[in-house]
Amino acid sequence: AQRVTQPEKLLSVFKGAPVELKCNYSYSGSPELFWYVQYSRQRLQLLLRHISRESIKGFTADLNKGETSFHLKKPFAQEEDSAMYYCALSYSGNTGKLIFGQGTTLQVKP
Amino acid sequence: DAGVIQSPRHEVTEMGQEVTLRCKPISGHDYLFWYRQTMMRGLELLIYFNNNVPIDDSGMPEDRFSAKMPNASFSTLKIQPSEPRDSAVYFCASSSQGRSYNEQFFGPGTRLTVL
Repeated sequence: AQRVTQPEKLLSVFKGAPVELKCNYSYSGSPELFWYVQYSRQRLQLLLRHISRESIKGFTADLNKGETSFHLKKPFAQEEDSAMYYCALSYSGNTGKLIFGQGTTLQVKP
Repeated sequence: DAGVIQSPRHEVTEMGQEVTLRCKPISGHDYLFWYRQTMMRGLELLIYFNNNVPIDDSGMPEDRFSAKMPNASFSTLKIQPSEPRDSAVYFCASSSQGRSYNEQFFGPGTRLTVL
């Protein structure tokens, strides 16, 4: 079955430190991977998708099919990055159905 | 556009009572999703609709849960009877196949507490 695993419930770093939020997936086909973010008191929203190969707010994520991973990285964390981050997998063609991981809370300390 | 609208924002009820959560998707979106968020299980897809038709309800936990979408601008998620383990945040999201491929737009959520 398709699955997304985020092994860390909580990741705590100091401001300016590098950040890597881990995401692994299980799917035998060609997946679409996404990162969604939920800031305090805000709605869950799309951060980035692998197909766009973009950098958003300094974050990047590379799809590694060999390791079935889609880790989210940022070289220098900022306090405003503190939020809940969800990795998500789409596999149903154009239906838009997403499978979410359990989420990782990123806490950036001053 | 105000985005996806959910009501109520908070609901506190007693075990055994019926609970109805409401969602208005973004105008023009043809997909609507209901999710449940808990600390233990994260974000779980309960059911989703395409053009008002339920496509996949395999995530609905049990028969106490039901969802309807009578028209393109309204959906409900009902729990009858409610139980304390149903306490969670319930999100509604919508998307459009024709734009922003696979990007789902989420509502603010309904925080349900069943005593």
